[in-house]
Amino acid sequence: NAGVMQNPRHLVRRRGQEARLRCSPMKGHSHVYWYRQLPEEGLKFMVYLQKENIIDESGMPKERFSAEFPKEGPSILRIQQVVRGDSAAYFCASSPLTAEGTQYFGPGTRLLVL
Amino acid sequence: KQEVTQIPAALSVPEGENLVLNCSFTDSAIYNLQWFRQDPGKGLTSLLLIQSSQREQTSGRLNASLDKSSGRSTLYIAASQPGDSATYLCAVRFGRGGSQGNLIFGKGTKLSVKP
Repeated sequence: NAGVMQNPRHLVRRRGQEARLRCSPMKGHSHVYWYRQLPEEGLKFMVYLQKENIIDESGMPKERFSAEFPKEGPSILRIQQVVRGDSAAYFCASSPLTAEGTQYFGPGTRLLVL
Repeated sequence: KQEVTQIPAALSVPEGENLVLNCSFTDSAIYNLQWFRQDPGKGLTSLLLIQSSQREQTSGRLNASLDKSSGRSTLYIAASQPGDSATYLCAVRFGRGGSQGNLIFGKGTKLSVKP
């Protein structure tokens, strides 16, 4: 059973471009969470999704950021018109259950905005 | 505000020493608490998960305890090894406040075990 997959592992974008980060949860997991780790900061929750539904997006910036988890395919975190402050490590986690389940993390995507 | 705090921020010990990492949280109404390990430039590895109804969990040389009433958890590492060097993160899933399922993380304790 492969773990949580994220790609790309590293992404470089210039200011104003779009960044698309992908996350494939563990097999059998239907809950996906996105977290962001800024340099020298702790991990911060961004968004929690189930298949085709956003459950909690309270941690996601109101502008430029969006997330989806379609019926088929990976979850996508999309950042439009990136700025230097978006440079961070973005981690995806999945779980089979909600409150009781262990969250399993992917290796992360390190985004660098030039 | 629901917060998770980890003390100390960094810790350096000689190989073989037993050590304790501390985690405190502001709201005793939690679903569970999870300890992770993060190596530089890498993702998170789950070490132990303690449900709110449990007092402790053990895995090999690791033992995690939970005291909800005082808002504390400790991670005990026995007979530390250089391979234990990493940042240890404590994360809490709180039981109220609007969030459903997401973890609140501490900033971590960076552990260095010297050979």
